[in-house]
Amino acid sequence: AQSVTQLDSQVPVFEEAPVELRCNYSSSVSVYLFWYVQYPNQGLQLLLKYLSGSTLVESINGFEAEFNKSQTSFHLRKPSVHISDTAEYFCAVSEQGGSYIPTFGRGTSLIVHP
Amino acid sequence: GAVVSQHPSRVICKSGTSVKIECRSLDFQATTMFWYRQFPKQSLMLMATSNEGSKATYEQGVEKDKFLINHASLTLSTLTVTSAHPEDSSFYICSAREAGLGGNTEAFFGQGTRLTVV
Repeated sequence: AQSVTQLDSQVPVFEEAPVELRCNYSSSVSVYLFWYVQYPNQGLQLLLKYLSGSTLVESINGFEAEFNKSQTSFHLRKPSVHISDTAEYFCAVSEQGGSYIPTFGRGTSLIVHP
Repeated sequence: GAVVSQHPSRVICKSGTSVKIECRSLDFQATTMFWYRQFPKQSLMLMATSNEGSKATYEQGVEKDKFLINHASLTLSTLTVTSAHPEDSSFYICSAREAGLGGNTEAFFGQGTRLTVV
C-alpha cells in the first residue's frame, strides 16, 4: 500500500516570494504522482501530474514539481506567488498496476500575505 | 479537462432525515466514481468506490446502510446519507475517472457538498 506525507500543515509566505510545498511518498511499486489545489468550499482541481518521462512537470499557472525517485519526493515549487495562490494543496499518489485509487496527503495550507 | 458536477453544493437537513447527493460526469463516461469525506483542515477520506451496475465497495469503518451508494448509469452516482445525525455533518466530495482508461489519468472532482445536520 502507498502513503503520502506532507510535512507542512501550513506555509505562510509573502507575495512575490518563492515557495516550496513538500511531499514524500512511500510505495513498493512504481507510482503516478499528482498535486491538487482546493479553494475554500470547493472540490479539488488538478494542478499537475507526473506519469512518466521528464521528472520536471509544470502547470499553466507557474507551479512546477520534480519527481525524485531516490528521495521518493514530489515537491511543489513556485518562484513567485500571488495572493490568489492562497489555497489548500494536496499531494496524491496512485500505484501503477494497482487499483489506481489515489491516496492523498493531509494537505498543506498555503497562505500568501500582501 | 473533464467536468464532474456535484449537487447540491450545500444542504441543511434535520436530524433523522435522509439526504441525497448527486455526482454526474458531464462530458465523459465513468465506470468508477469515488466518494470522499473531508473533515475541517484534514485530507480526503475515501468512503467508497462506486461501480456502475454493481454494488459499491466500502472502506473499512464506513457503514453501508448509512451511506447508500447507487451508480445506475455511466454518468451518475448518488450518495444517500440515511437517518442523518449532526456527526454526519461534513464536506462530501465525489470524483470520477473516465471509463476504459487506466491509472495514468487523474480523477476529476466535483465541487463538493457541504452537509449540515441540525
